[in-house]
Amino acid sequence: NAGVTQTPKFRVLKTGQSMTLLCAQDMNHEYMYWYRQDPGMGLRLIHYSVGEGTTAKGEVPDGYNVSRLKKQNFLLGLESAAPSQTSVYFCASSKHPGTGGFGYTFGSGTRLTVV
Amino acid sequence: AQKVTQAQTEISVVEKEDVTLDCVYETRDTTYYLFWYKQPPSGELVFLIRRNSFDEQNEISGRYSWNFQKSTSSFNFTITASQVVDSAVYFCALSEEGGANSKLTFGKGITLSVRP
Repeated sequence: NAGVTQTPKFRVLKTGQSMTLLCAQDMNHEYMYWYRQDPGMGLRLIHYSVGEGTTAKGEVPDGYNVSRLKKQNFLLGLESAAPSQTSVYFCASSKHPGTGGFGYTFGSGTRLTVV
Repeated sequence: AQKVTQAQTEISVVEKEDVTLDCVYETRDTTYYLFWYKQPPSGELVFLIRRNSFDEQNEISGRYSWNFQKSTSSFNFTITASQVVDSAVYFCALSEEGGANSKLTFGKGITLSVRP
């Protein structure tokens, strides 16, 4: 009953370092998303994927890259971390809208601090 | 483009008071879904309700109730007899079925504090 698993849960990076956040889902969902949450801003979409091998930009994509080589995994990369990327990152997955039981399953979040 | 507005940013009430959290949305689609999520201090996102655009019936679940009105593009959430455990950030969100990506757009959230 894992749902959506994010790793790591916490990370501190130095400015300029790179890292990859991993999101894994075991529900065979087609769609996957990466959001960031900042105080007073709600959750904003970074990148998303509508299927294996496809990715697209969301509302705030700059400074991030993503890959979806396997249907169950969605990776978010920071090539050169900046303090402005200090945030809480949430991954989510969903079926196609209109599918029975349509809804979004969220991971528990990754708290990233860039110093 | 889809948009969700939660005009209230912070609400503080005393326990047992009723409180209504407002949500106004914008969409050009005729088929869409509205959601409410709760984010307690522990940080996880807790799903509360999903409503599709064709179902305008109000919903009640225990102390929680939701009023969906397409005429005013609103999907308001009321907590009756609030409790300290209701203290959290509450997000309203919108997903358009007609969109190619079904992305979920969030409002900025309302911080609810319930004082004993």
